[in-house]
Order: sequence, then structure tokens, then C-alpha cells
Amino acid sequence: GAVVSQHPSRVICKSGTSVKIECRSLDFQATTMFWYRQFPKQSLMLMATSNEGSKATYEQGVEKDKFLINHASLTLSTLTVTSAHPEDSSFYICSASRGAGNTDTQYFGPGTRLTVL
Amino acid sequence: RKEVEQDPGPFNVPEGATVAFNCTYSNSASQSFFWYRQDCRKEPKLLMSVYSSGNEDGRFTAQLNRASQYISLLIRDSKLSDSATYLCVVNSGGYQKVTFGIGTKLQVIP
Repeated sequence: GAVVSQHPSRVICKSGTSVKIECRSLDFQATTMFWYRQFPKQSLMLMATSNEGSKATYEQGVEKDKFLINHASLTLSTLTVTSAHPEDSSFYICSASRGAGNTDTQYFGPGTRLTVL
Repeated sequence: RKEVEQDPGPFNVPEGATVAFNCTYSNSASQSFFWYRQDCRKEPKLLMSVYSSGNEDGRFTAQLNRASQYISLLIRDSKLSDSATYLCVVNSGGYQKVTFGIGTKLQVIP
């Protein structure tokens, strides 16, 4: 199988603090990792795409200085939400793909629910 | 117009019924199409890819209509365990960029 884990699964933090979310591919090497967020009753929205060792590509409207992505190895990517505010409260999901082709399957992590007070 | 549009539902159907969902997409250059299933507050899981020729996996049948730019998912003999949100996912032609629909909620009732 292809298993992707995320940590933590749930985090509550105060406004102004930074939160780091880890995404790991446990049994395969992920050429590409993706970060999404999902607000209630809305679709998953792609935030950024990252390849190991390269800078992430951010979607329009996503602040790269606020959402720091590090893809240090083929099995680990991290998303840091800096100076979090209540409007950043959301469900953050990562996915990982073995290949770089358009038809390669994305395997999703279980998600991290962020609540900013 | 949204890139990927789905009727959010909910679709409430009795056990054993056949139910079909459609999903329309706006980018005619889209190359790959998928149906994912998402249970409440969980991550999406791939249900099936959608091919031009149509494909079937047990009780599930997916079809693609490029001329009208829509894909469909048919579920036969619905089970209670089929209750979930079904997400239409379209590769927009860019480097592995996919766009998710809002999802169609299915509730199978006894």
C-alpha cells in the first residue's frame, strides 16, 4: 500500500503563534507532496506543491511567507503556519505522489485540524 | 463558472437503490479524472480513475463524456457503508495540479 501520515492530527493554538505540521510517506518515496486545506462545507483547495529539495510552488492567493513549506527528503514535508490567526483555522491535508506525471495517484494523509483561538 | 462543479446533495437513497452523480468541468484541456470518497472529517481516498472508455469496479461505474465535459459515477445496489461524500477530481492540465469539486453527499438509509 501507500501510507501517508500527518502529525499532529489536531492542534489548538493561540493567535500569533506558529504551528508546524508534518507529512510523511511511510512506505514509499514521494517525488511530490501537496498541501491542501478544507474549510467547512467547501472543497479541498490546493495551497502548494513541493518537490524534494526544491522551493514549493504556491497557488495564487496563498502567502508563501505565511505558509512555509519544507520538503527536506523524499519522505517528509512540513507546513508551518506562521503567526496563525483565527481565519487560518481549517483542516489541512497533505498528499504524496510517487511520480511526477499527471496521472500519478495522490495518497492523502489523515489531515490536521487546526484551531486558532 | 467553477472549474469543477458538483451537486452537493444530499442524496438520500434506500439500501439496494442505484444512484448516479454527475460532475462537470470547465477546462476542455483536462486530461485526468478521478472519483474520491471522503468520510466525515477524514481524508479523501481514491475510489477510481475515470477513463475515456468508461470503467467498472464491482458496483461502481465511472464514465467520461469529453464532448459535454462531464464525468459520472454510478453506484448499484447501494450499501449503508457507501454513505460518504464523493469528490470529483480533475487534473487541470498543469503539472499534477488537480482541482476538487465540492463533493456530493450520499446517505444510504435502511
